[in-house]
Parts: sequence; C-alpha cells; structure tokens
Amino acid sequence: DAGVIQSPRHEVTEMGQEVTLRCKPISGHDYLFWYRQTMMRGLELLIYFNNNVPIDDSGMPEDRFSAKMPNASFSTLKIQPSEPRDSAVYFCASSFTSGRRQTQYFGPGTRLLVL
Amino acid sequence: QKEVEQDPGPLSVPEGAIVSLNCTYSNSAFQYFMWYRQYSRKGPELLMYTYSSGNKEDGRFTAQVDKSSKYISLFIRDSQPSDSATYLCAMSASTDKLIFGTGTRLQVFP
Repeated sequence: DAGVIQSPRHEVTEMGQEVTLRCKPISGHDYLFWYRQTMMRGLELLIYFNNNVPIDDSGMPEDRFSAKMPNASFSTLKIQPSEPRDSAVYFCASSFTSGRRQTQYFGPGTRLLVL
Repeated sequence: QKEVEQDPGPLSVPEGAIVSLNCTYSNSAFQYFMWYRQYSRKGPELLMYTYSSGNKEDGRFTAQVDKSSKYISLFIRDSQPSDSATYLCAMSASTDKLIFGTGTRLQVFP
C-alpha cells in the first residue's frame, strides 16, 4: 500500500487566495482526520470523518476553512480566503478501528505558506 | 490549561544514554495512550500503544502509564543517533479522536 497520499507537498500563495489541499486515505480505512501543525500550537485536530461523514469539526478555526469527503478515497481541505496566520503544515491521517485499537497513519503533510 | 502537557525540549543526549520523555494530562477519561515519532519534514508514525495503565515494552522502548497521577512516560534505552526526532504523546477517551502533546525534540549525538 502507498500509504496516505497528500497533494500538493508545498504550497506558496498570497493572502486572499483560495487554497485546496487534497488527501487520499489508505484503502479500507473508515476514519479520516485533518490536522494542522505549528511550532507554537503543536498538532491540532481540525476535523474528522467516519465513513465519509463529518463527525467533529470543532477544531476548524473559522468559516474560512471547509472540508469535504465526497467518497471513501478522497478528501479536501479548503481555505478561502487564506491569511498569513494559516501558514502551517497540514496533515491528513486515516485509520480503522479493530477492537479497542485504532492506529492513525499520517501522510507526509502539505507545507503551506501564505504571504 | 491544555488537556495534554509536554515539555518541548530540546533534549540532547550522548549515544547510549537512557532517555525519558514525559507527558501529563488532565482528563481522567483518557484510557488510550500512544507515542508517535516524527522525523524532520515527515508525518508522525505510531511508536507505542498502551490501553489503560501499566507498562509495555518493545525492544529498546518502554511506555509507562500511571493513571492515578495522570502521567505517561516513554523510555528509550541505548539511544542511537537514528532516534533523533520529535516524540509526541497522544491520548484518547475513545477509539477515534486523539489529543496530542506539542512534542519533545530529541537529539542523540555520537
């Protein structure tokens, strides 16, 4: 298996522009998570889906952020309009639950810089 | 107060040393405890998983959970330069949503 795939790996954009981050989870996994990582705040959960349905979006910072999962093999995180404070590394992770065990597998991340 | 507290380091040790990494937490409902390792410019990867209290050993790594003190630890024996990474603790009350610590950066020098 190729693991969790994210694109693009790097994104540089100007303030006010729309940014779309993409994620392909591991086949067969039923959970998908979007995280944001910064030096100051660490790894923060933004939103997660179970079987393509959003379960908890309480971590989404504001209405400028939106996420979709149209099918089991694809998800997007969109920022519109982008601001410099959105600069961070965005990770997608997927998992499946087996009994009491759940292991989240992370993608390589998208490094976003908003100028 | 954050739900999970972790000293950011950096922690610098010589090769062969025993490393101790720690996290404290405030939510008594947490029962799943994990340690993730993150190399520079990579995504985190699961290193150790523990359910409820107790110890778990895997090679040079030992994870300890003390629920009465709300304190978890990761010990690395015979540390190697390849162990240089950021170590993040993570915990959860259920099998889905994880709460992560901010991570401790470890450097093992030859």
